[in-house]
Amino acid sequence: EVQLVESGGGLVQPGGSLRLSCTASGFTFSIYWMTWVRQAPGKGLEWVANIKEDGSEKHYVDSVKGRFTVSRDNAKNSLYLQMNSLRAEDTAVYYCARGRGTFDLWGQGTMFTVSS
Amino acid sequence: EIVMTQSPATLSVSPGERATLSCRASQSVRSNLAWYQQKFGQAPRLLIYNTSTRATGIPARFSGSGSGTEFTLTISSLQSEDCAVYYCHQYDNWCHSFGQGTKLEIK
Repeated sequence: EVQLVESGGGLVQPGGSLRLSCTASGFTFSIYWMTWVRQAPGKGLEWVANIKEDGSEKHYVDSVKGRFTVSRDNAKNSLYLQMNSLRAEDTAVYYCARGRGTFDLWGQGTMFTVSS
Repeated sequence: EIVMTQSPATLSVSPGERATLSCRASQSVRSNLAWYQQKFGQAPRLLIYNTSTRATGIPARFSGSGSGTEFTLTISSLQSEDCAVYYCHQYDNWCHSFGQGTKLEIK
């Protein structure tokens, strides 16, 4: 089955760190750009970051630059989001999505909360 | 950053009627515009990309149009299952952005 499965959510204190993972199956992961999109509770979608097929290009929304790092391991069909210096406003459901411009496959999302 | 503004915030339409959703970009995004549908508690689903190309499996009642800064998603004959929030998304530059969404209600 073609799918993306995120993991790694939970509760984190302000200033803390967390790494989210997204595992792909059913398709050739290594030929696709991959993207992280988040959605704060009751809010709209926000594009967060993306990464090229071979990991050589990465782009971030301004609000996470210097704090978040997107990476991938094509041998493990996995996408990651390392998040440091977390703030309350980072609280959201985080989705991984296949593609750079158009996202034709989404995971179910993983939720984490930044709170003391 | 390109700001995407959707209108209206909420739209109420009767079954069988036409629904028209608008999206405006703060600067030209050429034709690099997609539309997503998100039902409650679900991940978004790609409806339209490159302004007017329907994604795989999307019914013909969904259509997109526009270019530059003004875009429209039209649902020609609303079905009950179309109740959702719809987002436009520009991918013209390296920093993408979504509109704030239009909530479509069925009368």
